[in-house]
Amino acid sequence: DTAVSQTPKYLVTQMGNDKSIKCEQNLGHDTMYWYKQDSKKFLKIMFSYNNKELIINETVPNRFSPKSPDKAHLNLHINSLELGDSAVYFCASSQRSGGAADTQYFGPGTRLTVL
Amino acid sequence: AQSVSQHNHHVILSEAASLELGCNYSYGGTVNLFWYVQYPGQHLQLLLKYFSGDPLVKGIKGFEAEFIKSKFSFNLRKPSVQWSDTAEYFCAVSASGGSYIPTFGRGTSLIVHP
Repeated sequence: DTAVSQTPKYLVTQMGNDKSIKCEQNLGHDTMYWYKQDSKKFLKIMFSYNNKELIINETVPNRFSPKSPDKAHLNLHINSLELGDSAVYFCASSQRSGGAADTQYFGPGTRLTVL
Repeated sequence: AQSVSQHNHHVILSEAASLELGCNYSYGGTVNLFWYVQYPGQHLQLLLKYFSGDPLVKGIKGFEAEFIKSKFSFNLRKPSVQWSDTAEYFCAVSASGGSYIPTFGRGTSLIVHP
């Protein structure tokens, strides 16, 4: 069984569209994250969501909105897509936020291409 | 807030060569330290981590890292690399007592020639 899964794996869309990426983890973790990896492989955290508490990264445009229907799912919705949003988006989870040395378990990534 | 620097952006080695990838962080408090690896086309996975105890940490696939507090460093080492070690390597730091959200370095691309 895949621990952290994301769909879709690839997403190609036009500028201005709205799209969503889904993430599910079956590890029983309380905390989930969204990361953005740009073309230079730089990995930057976007959001952390722990037991319904959302920690927002202030540098993320408000066109990005995470939605967590339950602690096993954290979806990412993006409005009005821009060229600069093209990247690989990784979902991750960890056992708890605030614990020592929590390991991040990453999903396979979603490669978003905005044309 | 903490920050992480990985000095080597691209490293090219031949098989059996020794490897050391540098990682320095800036944060005045207690930290948790990680190395993750991303093989071509795959997701990130944990190589090793340090949060307390012996500053020399052993990880999977023969990797190790040493936490030197006075130098704010957590360098990754492997005595003899293999072609299959070709990957991106990311150092990450999280602050104990804070949000525990890790900050990642920019990554080091390692290419090992057979």
